Amino acid sequence: QKEVEQDPGPLSVPEGAIVSLNCTYSNSAFQYFMWYRQYSRKGPELLMYTYSSGNKEDGRFTAQVDKSSKYISLFIRDSQPSDSATYLCAMSARGGTSYGKLTFGQGTILTVHP
Amino acid sequence: SAVISQKPSRDICQRGTSLTIQCQVDSQVTMMFWYRQQPGQSLTLIATANQGSEATYESGFVIDKFPISRPNLTFSTLTVSNMSPEDSSIYLCSVEDALGQPQHFGDGTRLSIL
Repeated sequence: QKEVEQDPGPLSVPEGAIVSLNCTYSNSAFQYFMWYRQYSRKGPELLMYTYSSGNKEDGRFTAQVDKSSKYISLFIRDSQPSDSATYLCAMSARGGTSYGKLTFGQGTILTVHP
Repeated sequence: SAVISQKPSRDICQRGTSLTIQCQVDSQVTMMFWYRQQPGQSLTLIATANQGSEATYESGFVIDKFPISRPNLTFSTLTVSNMSPEDSSIYLCSVEDALGQPQHFGDGTRLSIL
């Protein structure tokens, strides 16, 4: 069993839709949770990161963490064609001052069509 | 956040040869990492590049195959040695800077072995 599971999709939605991307994990040591966006032929770009259970909002993006269920989500409101990319969840057990090794999900391919 | 440049951006190599990938950062960073992203798969940490000492390798990766150098706080190299078609991947450098954020990634080196 993989430590982090993410539905690879692909996910296709119309412009303006609310998108929900999800990951589950099995390692209770994971304390920090990140979402990265990766455009074709580019490196992953950090979108959001959080430590606590609950919601964290940044513009059209909301990251949600439920540590009791080992489940995290990223919601995108009013989705735009420019949001079309692969979305990767990542997790860290973080010891000390460094996040150290990030364990990634497989990535979800999202297409937002006009 | 730090700006990361990787060279080369892509290469096609012959079986049995070696290639060195460079990662240059525009500011001093505390941590540098090397990841591999195989076709259709997620990112896997190869090693943590330690400044002035030997890299710390993850399970399944060895120094003889992936020697790493980090001579200072802004530069690191990863060599892929004695390459085989199974080494065809994207190799990505990431860094943690002094701002306390999770890792930022370069755009990667796309490597194909014939």
